[in-house]
Amino acid sequence: AQSVTQLDSHVSVSEGTPVLLRCNYSSSYSPSLFWYVQHPNKGLQLLLKYTSAATLVKGINGFEAEFKKSETSFHLTKPSAHMSDAAEYFCVVTNNNAGNMLTFGGGTRLMVKP
Amino acid sequence: DGGITQSPKYLFRKEGQNVTLSCEQNLNHDAMYWYRQDPGQGLRLIYYSQIVNDFQKGDIAEGYSVSREKKESFPLTVTSAQKNPTAFYLCASNPGTGGVGHGYTFGSGTRLTVV
Repeated sequence: AQSVTQLDSHVSVSEGTPVLLRCNYSSSYSPSLFWYVQHPNKGLQLLLKYTSAATLVKGINGFEAEFKKSETSFHLTKPSAHMSDAAEYFCVVTNNNAGNMLTFGGGTRLMVKP
Repeated sequence: DGGITQSPKYLFRKEGQNVTLSCEQNLNHDAMYWYRQDPGQGLRLIYYSQIVNDFQKGDIAEGYSVSREKKESFPLTVTSAQKNPTAFYLCASNPGTGGVGHGYTFGSGTRLTVV
């Protein structure tokens, strides 16, 4: 079985300040982990993915995430928020033993204040 | 450009009616998926298909039906048996082979509202 918990349903930051979106996972097998972003009434866009290579993963738009097996975490960070980062973010887990099926976290809505 | 096309973008349904949401992909992907999204609940899997002429129920299949007659098409029918159909519906695909980590491609969604 696998599950994902996004620890904050809403995060608010000021433009130019760091972003931290927290994600913890549970998986019986070695997982692959993803972060997706969704702008209003749009589909999901892949930000980055971890698939058992380097534990620090760099993605698009300046985002990165670090896989920490001991903490079962995969937090998403960005050094400096931009207004265009305001969106919903989903942490997702999958593994080969689950037939590559995705399990989604509940999402974190990021708000960026000017 | 390759991608997934969902239509319509907005759909209104009267109670008791069946409606069909379209999903077409030109990525040559074997696997296709339908998800339902409600506020604050992430995405939940309705149905998926890993190969033509075969599909499986996901976590919340009741009140929905699908078909997979062609590789590129995976339409979802929301039947009158679905008691709370108002939601945002997302279609996705992935290559379906080669193991874990293959990225999913998502469509831009259909927002269904029951009136």
